[in-house]
Amino acid sequence: NFMLTQPHSVSESPGKTVTISCTGSSGTFGGNYVQWYQQRPGSAPTTVIFEDSQRPSGVPDRFSGSLDSSSNSASLTISGLKTEDEADYYCQSYDSSNHVVFGGGTKLTVL
Amino acid sequence: EVQLVESGGGLVQPGGSLRLSCVASGFTFSGFWMSWVRQAPGKGLEWVGNIKEDGSEIYYVDSVKGRFAISRDNGKNSLSLQMSSLRAEDTAVYYCARTRSFDWLLDYWGQGTLVTVSS
Repeated sequence: NFMLTQPHSVSESPGKTVTISCTGSSGTFGGNYVQWYQQRPGSAPTTVIFEDSQRPSGVPDRFSGSLDSSSNSASLTISGLKTEDEADYYCQSYDSSNHVVFGGGTKLTVL
Repeated sequence: EVQLVESGGGLVQPGGSLRLSCVASGFTFSGFWMSWVRQAPGKGLEWVGNIKEDGSEIYYVDSVKGRFAISRDNGKNSLSLQMSSLRAEDTAVYYCARTRSFDWLLDYWGQGTLVTVSS
């Protein structure tokens, strides 16, 4: 079964840059898109990056996404960290059987 | 404005059944796949299953196969999750989400409904 692995937690200071990784379990992502969601406590997830690197309208350009096929990993980078960025972040992709797969989530602390 | 509103959550005993509903508005419901995603207390997101626009294809995570059934009524803009043989580990907030089939982005989510399986 295809799995996505994320670090359990990351922390950084306001104004700094943080990168959250998401590694696929087998081979490459196979050309399948990776999305990133932000989830604040008590709320539903919202999209911050879709199709590997696209940003929905309303998401600040401090958020960026990338895909490294050689290492079979995707990354979410947040620059100019703000305290409001503190949340859980999930990567998501899918397999050849139309099964959606989520990473385990990364808790971002901005301190 | 796209809206998804779940209902039907509550407390149920182990081995019991529960039916969740999700009513959609603000978009052409019959034009989108739909997904159910759950989140156990303090845990991460887990995809439960999804259903094609016309209901002709349905997929489930292994842990719920044979126990859960997803269906939709495009005439009523409604998505359902029938859950049976419930276990303590099914305790979670259940979200419905609109799903784009060309990139598998879950672009709109409901607010979630809590299912608690306990005696």
